[in-house]
Amino acid sequence: ETGVTQSPTHLIKTRGQQVTLRCSSQSGHNTVSWYQQALGQGPQFIFQYYREEENGRGNFPPRFSGLQFPNYSSELNVNALELDDSALYLCASSRGPDGYTFGSGTRLTVV
Amino acid sequence: GEDVEQSLFLSVREGDSSVINCTYTDSSSTYLYWYKQEPGAGLQLLTYIFSNMDMKQDQRLTVLLNKKDKHLSLRIADTQTGDSAIYFCAEITLNAGNNRKLIWGLGTSLAVNP
Repeated sequence: ETGVTQSPTHLIKTRGQQVTLRCSSQSGHNTVSWYQQALGQGPQFIFQYYREEENGRGNFPPRFSGLQFPNYSSELNVNALELDDSALYLCASSRGPDGYTFGSGTRLTVV
Repeated sequence: GEDVEQSLFLSVREGDSSVINCTYTDSSSTYLYWYKQEPGAGLQLLTYIFSNMDMKQDQRLTVLLNKKDKHLSLRIADTQTGDSAIYFCAEITLNAGNNRKLIWGLGTSLAVNP
């Protein structure tokens, strides 16, 4: 059983650019959620996808968008990057509420 | 509203027990979790408890839930230096569309001294 894999592990972008982060979910998991973790903070819920549809969203602006594919992998897209978007972006997959499996995250730095 | 609070720091001696506390506000929470995060790493699920339970034990870990006071604790017995990490408490809440989302505390940084 493979775990959750995120790519890339690190990324540096310039303010105003766009970025796409990728996540492959654990085998058998049909739900993927994304979190932003700023330095020294807890994770903040961005959104969640279940069977390719968004079924929950946190307090993030529309320039944060996502997709889930038929194989349950997912993408997080961020447009018009701002300096405050610099953070660790975590993806978690789950099959039910009894456990979310997290990837190691993508460290995004916006300069 | 939704809020999860934890104390930020805890320091213990190797071999002692550690107790990390958490309070939450959403009385409709169904599952509550403890995650561990080591420096530069992702989040590792340690244990979870369902809201109709008041205690769960898993090897060195004991979770206590006081639903009336909305208080959750994690006890680590015989704490080792490898337990040094940040520990996050998280609860599941239902969003406006009746779907689940995880709400997190800020994390408790556990330092284990030899």
